[in-house]
Amino acid sequence: NAGVMQNPRHLVRRRGQEARLRCSPMKGHSHVYWYRQLPEEGLKFMVYLQKENIIDESGMPKERFSAEFPKEGPSILRIQQVVRGDSAAYFCASSPEKRGDEQFFGPGTRLTVL
Amino acid sequence: QKEVEQDPGPLSVPEGAIVSLNCTYSNSAFQYFMWYRQYSRKGPELLMYTYSSGNKEDGRFTAQVDKSSKYISLFIRDSQPSDSATYLCAKSTNFGNEKLTFGTGTRLTIIP
Repeated sequence: NAGVMQNPRHLVRRRGQEARLRCSPMKGHSHVYWYRQLPEEGLKFMVYLQKENIIDESGMPKERFSAEFPKEGPSILRIQQVVRGDSAAYFCASSPEKRGDEQFFGPGTRLTVL
Repeated sequence: QKEVEQDPGPLSVPEGAIVSLNCTYSNSAFQYFMWYRQYSRKGPELLMYTYSSGNKEDGRFTAQVDKSSKYISLFIRDSQPSDSATYLCAKSTNFGNEKLTFGTGTRLTIIP
């Protein structure tokens, strides 16, 4: 059973460009979470999605950031007009439908904004 | 005040020593407490989780929770070089299907 897949693993963008980060949850998992890890900081929650629904976006910056988890395909975290402060590792986690199971994390996407 | 406070270290101990990692939290709504291990350039992996005050043991690892003082600890016995990683404490109100609130992580190095 493959784990949580994230791609690309490394992404370099220039200021003002768009970044798209993809996350394929574990098989059978319908809940996806995105976290951001800045250098020397812990993981910060961004958004929690189920298929076609945003459940909790309390950690998402108000501008430039959006997330989706369509009925078919991976979850996408989209950052428009990137700035240097967006440089970080972005981790996706997934969990199954039933409550009481852990979140399994992917290997992360490291975004560098030049 | 951060919801979860954790000493970032770094912490270096000799192989075989007992390691103590600690976190404090401020939100009494947190009911579940987790310890994640993160190797360099990897995603976090769950080591242990606990709900109640007291101790929970799993092999060389012991998680301790004191809800009255809002203090949690992770003890590693007979530490090995392979234990060298960043250890993150995390909290949630429920276990599963909810966001996690993490501490900043403690970087641990076990010296052979």
